Amino acid sequence: AQKVTQAQTEISVVEKEDVTLDCVYETRDTTYYLFWYKQPPSGELVFLIRRNSFDEQNEISGRYSWNFQKSTSSFNFTITASQVVDSAVYFCALSEDTQGAQKLVFGQGTRLTINP
Amino acid sequence: DAGVIQSPRHEVTEMGQEVTLRCKPISGHDYLFWYRQTMMRGLELLIYFNNNVPIDDSGMPEDRFSAKMPNASFSTLKIQPSEPRDSAVYFCASRQGFGELFFGEGSRLTVL
Repeated sequence: AQKVTQAQTEISVVEKEDVTLDCVYETRDTTYYLFWYKQPPSGELVFLIRRNSFDEQNEISGRYSWNFQKSTSSFNFTITASQVVDSAVYFCALSEDTQGAQKLVFGQGTRLTINP
Repeated sequence: DAGVIQSPRHEVTEMGQEVTLRCKPISGHDYLFWYRQTMMRGLELLIYFNNNVPIDDSGMPEDRFSAKMPNASFSTLKIQPSEPRDSAVYFCASRQGFGELFFGEGSRLTVL
C-alpha cells in the first residue's frame, strides 16, 4: 500500500530564512507520481508541482525547489528566502498508476509559519 | 476559466438531517474526485468518477454516504442521516486524463 509521511507537523521560521519540508513515501510501484500542494489559510488546495518516478532531476521555480531522491524515497521541498505569504499548510502526495487512475494519497501536512 | 465550483461553502446542520454537497467540475475534465479533510485523518479520498461512472468508492465511510454524477458537469455527495463525526471540509477535484488535479474551495460541514 502507498503511504506518505511528513514527519514535521509544524515549522516556524523568521522571514528570509530558508526552510525545507520533508516528505518520505512508500510504494511498490515502479511508476508513480509525487506532488506538493499548498493550503493557505483561505482553505483551498493549490497545486505546486508534479514529478514522475522516472525523472529525478531537481526542480527550481523561483524561490521554490524540490529534491527527489528515489534512493531514500524522499521528495523534499525547500523555500528559499521565505516570506510571510508562504505561511500555509503544505501537503506532499503520491499516486500510483493503479488501474491508470492515479488516486492521490496525501501526507498529514506540515504547517509552515513565517514570522515577520 | 472557472475552476471547480462547490456549494455550499459552509453548511451547519443538526444530527439526523440530510446534507447534499454539490460540485461542478472544470469543463472537459473526465475525472472527478471527492475528498474529505479532518484534523484527525487528514485528506482522505472518498470516491472518484471517470466519465460520470463511479470507479472506486472504497473510501466512502459507510452507507450513509452516497455520491452521484448524473452528467459531466455535476456531482453530488449526500449524507443521510448526518452525524457529528461527519463534520469536515469536503473537497471536490477534477482533472483531464492524467493531468493536474484541480481542487474546489471546499464545503465546510458542521453537524451539531
